[in-house]
Amino acid sequence: GENVEQHPSTLSVQEGDSAVIKCTYSDSASNYFPWYKQELGKRPQLIIDIRSNVGEKKDQRIAVTLNKTAKHFSLHITETQPEDSAVYFCAATRYTGFQKLVFGTGTRLLVSP
Amino acid sequence: DVKVTQSSRYLVKRTGEKVFLECVQDMDHENMFWYRQDPGLGLRLIYFSYDVKMKEKGDIPEGYSVSREKKERFSLILESASTNQTSMYLCASSLVYPAVMNTEAFFGQGTRLTVV
Repeated sequence: GENVEQHPSTLSVQEGDSAVIKCTYSDSASNYFPWYKQELGKRPQLIIDIRSNVGEKKDQRIAVTLNKTAKHFSLHITETQPEDSAVYFCAATRYTGFQKLVFGTGTRLLVSP
Repeated sequence: DVKVTQSSRYLVKRTGEKVFLECVQDMDHENMFWYRQDPGLGLRLIYFSYDVKMKEKGDIPEGYSVSREKKERFSLILESASTNQTSMYLCASSLVYPAVMNTEAFFGQGTRLTVV
């Protein structure tokens, strides 16, 4: 079955710096890679996702890159702000069908003013 | 506009009790999931279901069972609660065949279960 590893477990940056979170997956059949953000005391919410037919996707200050050959994908946050502080989870699954949605262990991002 | 609702926010149960955690979604999603969230371990999948009466084991099914009698409701059952099942439990739902704009898995608010 799918196994997702995520690094680092914690990341501290200064406001305005960039942050990068990396994930690897094991199942070559996975073709959909979402990222979820969980603020303190709240439920996880989707912030960006990528399918395996593209290598990069951007949405304002966040971007995700995918390397299918190496089976890894990354979340990039530029110009970080204190409100970016949260736990971020990556996941890997199949886009359609009866899929398990398997998450990484999470990265706690702390952005200091 | 609450889309996934878990029956309890906080729950305290005694060791050996049978515990039911309920989850209801109003988005007509086929997939439903139960996760437990523990510090440093992330979101670990307990069970998931892609249709009524269908269920599949996740990565940590031991000590748990599930029930899906109706499409909108997915129940997690702890047959005999133990202290190592003290955790935050999160339910989620998603479409089996999403269009580009509705791929998101929606989560409930979570149930913090304490077994004493």
